[in-house]
Amino acid sequence: QKEVEQNSGPLSVPEGAIASLNCTYSDRGSQSFFWYRQYSGKSPELIMFIYSNGDKEDGRFTAQLNKASQYVSLLIRDSQPSDSATYLCAVYQYNNNDMRFGAGTRLTVKP
Amino acid sequence: GAVVSQHPSRVICKSGTSVKIECRSLDFQATTMFWYRQFPKQSLMLMATSNEGSKATYEQGVEKDKFLINHASLTLSTLTVTSAHPEDSSFYICSAPRFGRGPSYNEQFFGPGTRLTVL
Repeated sequence: QKEVEQNSGPLSVPEGAIASLNCTYSDRGSQSFFWYRQYSGKSPELIMFIYSNGDKEDGRFTAQLNKASQYVSLLIRDSQPSDSATYLCAVYQYNNNDMRFGAGTRLTVKP
Repeated sequence: GAVVSQHPSRVICKSGTSVKIECRSLDFQATTMFWYRQFPKQSLMLMATSNEGSKATYEQGVEKDKFLINHASLTLSTLTVTSAHPEDSSFYICSAPRFGRGPSYNEQFFGPGTRLTVL
């Protein structure tokens, strides 16, 4: 059974702090990794993707991938109340055309 | 950027009726589309993979005779919930991948979702 696991939270951080979201996956054949943000009642929107080991930065967001540990994380710097949402980790395997989502971590940024 | 549309955005129907949901990729071709279902406060659950020109692949536990999928063209997939019941009430979301930059990269574009309420 392929699994993508996330801490469901809720994760609460004060405004301006760094929020750290974690995700582990079980399928070593996974090739691409995505972080989506989903506001209540809306469909997910892509924040970042990463497919090479290491860090990838985009504005206030940094994705970190460690394929050996089967671990991917998302850091949000200078968290804002508007960042309050559920963050979904998704793992894609190209050969199987298989995309799996974690259960999501609910983040609350308090003013 | 790429856009995926869904229609209708919201539907309310009586128990026993069938409901069709359309998913369209507006500015790219999608040989594959994914259909998800999301219950309140739960994550996306993959229901099936829709393949243009061939049968859909259903996830374990998803009844293919109840959730009919037709991938009629490279830009359109439809999901029909047949004989809907109140327990089918959910948020249905489609997504379409756009391939690029080699096999290690794949971006999923999500439709806005369809909220189905079965009375």
